[in-house]
Amino acid sequence: DQQVKQNSPSLSVQEGRISILNCDYTNSMFDYFLWYKKYPAEGPTFLISISSIKDKNEDGRFTVFLNKSAKHLSLHIVPSQPGDSAVYFCAASDGAGSYQLTFGKGTKLSVIP
Amino acid sequence: DADVTQTPRNRITKTGKRIMLECSQTKGHDRMYWYRQDPGLGLRLIYYSFDVKDINKGEISDGYSVSRQAQAKFSLSLESAIPNQTALYFCALPAVSGANVLTFGAGSRLTVL
Repeated sequence: DQQVKQNSPSLSVQEGRISILNCDYTNSMFDYFLWYKKYPAEGPTFLISISSIKDKNEDGRFTVFLNKSAKHLSLHIVPSQPGDSAVYFCAASDGAGSYQLTFGKGTKLSVIP
Repeated sequence: DADVTQTPRNRITKTGKRIMLECSQTKGHDRMYWYRQDPGLGLRLIYYSFDVKDINKGEISDGYSVSRQAQAKFSLSLESAIPNQTALYFCALPAVSGANVLTFGAGSRLTVL
């Protein structure tokens, strides 16, 4: 049973518009959530994270929103750029200092120039 | 130098062969992780190590073994490779900054014929 779900395998967005990637989780013990970005032939790279004590975290063009009651988080990219085209993985862990990450299946984002 | 170095980057082998994937790090971390990525399945944890004498199974350890020869080296072995072990394999260790964040290597692509 998947504990972290990314239900959209792919997403296409026009350059300059907003990209919204969604993630749902089922394990109530998860309290840290992370987004990773992956280009072909490279390892995943960390993008942004959020702790369960917050509902929003922002870093430049990237914002992550957390809705604990709905067990849902989303990544907003504004404005989207062609270089953002990649696979985005949502991940979760339980407990501070726990590096055992549970990943979603990923969403492939294509930003169209 | 990269924080995490994986060798080989690409390997093609035959069913029944023994294969070893190697991971080395320059950061002096006690913790190291092996993940596997399959298309459409995200990343799944195979094994992890808290130090040289502390090895733990992850979600999908069957068919794999690991060796932590030194703090800097963590090897993943397939004693008798089978085609459904064809995948991308990533080694990871805790990032310098960011709670619960892992830094991943560039990956080893394994094809079992």
